[in-house]
This record gives sequence, C-alpha cells and structure tokens, in this order.
Amino acid sequence: GENVEQHPSTLSVQEGDSAVIKCTYSDSASNYFPWYKQELGKRPQLIIDIRSNVGEKKDQRIAVTLNKTAKHFSLHITETQPEDSAVYFCGDYSGGSNYKLTFGKGTLLTVNP
Amino acid sequence: DSGVTQTPKHLITATGQRVTLRCSPRSGDLSVYWYQQSLDQGLQFLIQYYNGEERAKGNILERFSAQQFPDLHSELNLSSLELGDSALYFCASGSGNTEAFFGQGTRLTVV
Repeated sequence: GENVEQHPSTLSVQEGDSAVIKCTYSDSASNYFPWYKQELGKRPQLIIDIRSNVGEKKDQRIAVTLNKTAKHFSLHITETQPEDSAVYFCGDYSGGSNYKLTFGKGTLLTVNP
Repeated sequence: DSGVTQTPKHLITATGQRVTLRCSPRSGDLSVYWYQQSLDQGLQFLIQYYNGEERAKGNILERFSAQQFPDLHSELNLSSLELGDSALYFCASGSGNTEAFFGQGTRLTVV
C-alpha cells in the first residue's frame, strides 16, 4: 500500500514455531490498524485489529503490537499450524481528512508440517 | 458469508470494452471501498465512498470511475480495457475506522 510498508514478503516456518510480520506507516493521523488473512482463492478476512490508543492486543495464538512513536506495528503468531498458511495483509486507516484504508503488499506465510 | 455481495463473480471481455462491477454493502454500512488485486500483488486501494459521496481516492486510473447510489450499493466502471486490467476486484464495506468486510470479488479477464 502507498502508506504502509510490510516485511517480509515471504516467510517460511516449521509447525510450532512463531511467525512475526512487521509493518510501518507514515501518516501520524492513522488510528486503526487491522490485519487480514487471505487464503488461496478466498476473500481477505480480519483476524485482529488494534487502535492507536492501545499498545498491544492478543487473541489466543495471535497478537498485535503497536509502537506509535516509531510508527510501526507487528503481527505475532505463536505455535503456528499448517492452516495458518496464507497471505497476511496489514492495514492502515488514516483519519483526519484522508479516509483511506490501505494495505501493505502482503506476506506469504508457509507453515511446514 | 461477509454480507457483502459482488456481481458478477467472473467476467471475460475484450480489450477496448467497458464493464461495470457491482457491490452491495452489508446492511447498515455506509462506507464502500474498492480494491484491485493483480497476480502476486497486494490490495491496491482504488476509491472509497461514504454515504453516497466520494471520500478518498487512491491509484485509480482515469479510465475507471465509481459511484455510490442512494441505496448505498456501488458500481465500479472500467472502460477502454487493457490486458493489464485483468485482476481480482474486491469491494469492502464498513463504518470508517472499524472492520471492513470484503466481498468475494469479481475476477476480470481481459482478452
């Protein structure tokens, strides 16, 4: 996305390991950061999100951290399973006068059994 | 099922032609976003509408246009189609800085 940089573009891990995907944004007015999972041939679906007034959010094996000062946020998946294999997109919603919901270029996560 | 309906699911057309993609948002959602997803590419933001008005524009070509109608459904018009316009076009609906729900997408093939 034009406002969001996402790394890495591909990530391969062994089942049971952790995976971390990082994103940086540029607009200080950004206030909402969703993460979407897109399985092959399917639509993107929200897996977790975080707002700018929160530093960390966790949902079972998935967590997101936000560093507003550095303008970056990360997705952490623990105890990865083969069904976690998909493309993950980080999103950035810019408020103020710029209401875009833009996404990073995506990370292809492969979890090897 | 996300509640967002896109039609048609598939579209094959020739270069130079014009097509219209349709999106019906979830009940109650005022925002509609359009995205283009090409092979090995991410979700390129095209345009956003809120309650009938254009709110934000992204990398949308001049050959493309969109609108949102009073009943909140939206249409994306693609004209003078080129081979490079072949892609999966998604629409999503939401309420601003909250979850955006994606439709199943329209796969456009330009031959």
